[in-house]
Amino acid sequence: TQLLEQSPQFLSIQEGENLTVYCNSSSVFSSLQWYRQEPGEGPVLLVTVVTGGEVKKLKRLTFQFGDARKDSSLHITAAQPGDTGLYLCAGYNAGNMLTFGGGTRLMVKP
Amino acid sequence: GAVVSQHPSWVICKSGTSVKIECRSLDFQATTMFWYRQFPKQSLMLMATSNEGSKATYEQGVEKDKFLINHASLTLSTLTVTSAHPEDSSFYICSAIQVNEQFFGPGTRLTVL
Repeated sequence: TQLLEQSPQFLSIQEGENLTVYCNSSSVFSSLQWYRQEPGEGPVLLVTVVTGGEVKKLKRLTFQFGDARKDSSLHITAAQPGDTGLYLCAGYNAGNMLTFGGGTRLMVKP
Repeated sequence: GAVVSQHPSWVICKSGTSVKIECRSLDFQATTMFWYRQFPKQSLMLMATSNEGSKATYEQGVEKDKFLINHASLTLSTLTVTSAHPEDSSFYICSAIQVNEQFFGPGTRLTVL
């Protein structure tokens, strides 16, 4: 079983602060995705990264895929209360199965 | 993007009863759907892969006789939690694949009293 470890598990910050969430594995993934989930809802896809070293930006969110395709990071600039939620990384292995990380619960206080 | 729905959104049942949860792909056909379970403050754990017209593939540790999966059509998969117990209380989420991307349903919260 390929495991994805996310850190931190929980993060509480003030509005306007920056933060980085990490997703690490000892295994190589063909692609890696980041999702955001709000309470009582299903996860919503934010981004998919495929190429080692790839960097994608989505407004104030910056996603990076490690060169070896074993890790990824999500950086949020100037966090806002609307960013509050559970952030999940998930990786596709060679068998096209999606494995989720443990999640990072973010709370942004106004 | 593609839309996946689940019904019901939430259900409360007595211990020992069976509960059926539906997962539908609304605007596309899905030969493969996935069922996940999510406990409070935890991540999604894959329970099984539902294949249209064939038996589901269950992850290790998931009892196939307790969690019955039926994928009778290209737009509908059902998960039946049989003889539910309080420890089965959880958030059940399905997903369906379209063009190599998974789309998730809104989830079903099951509470077993």
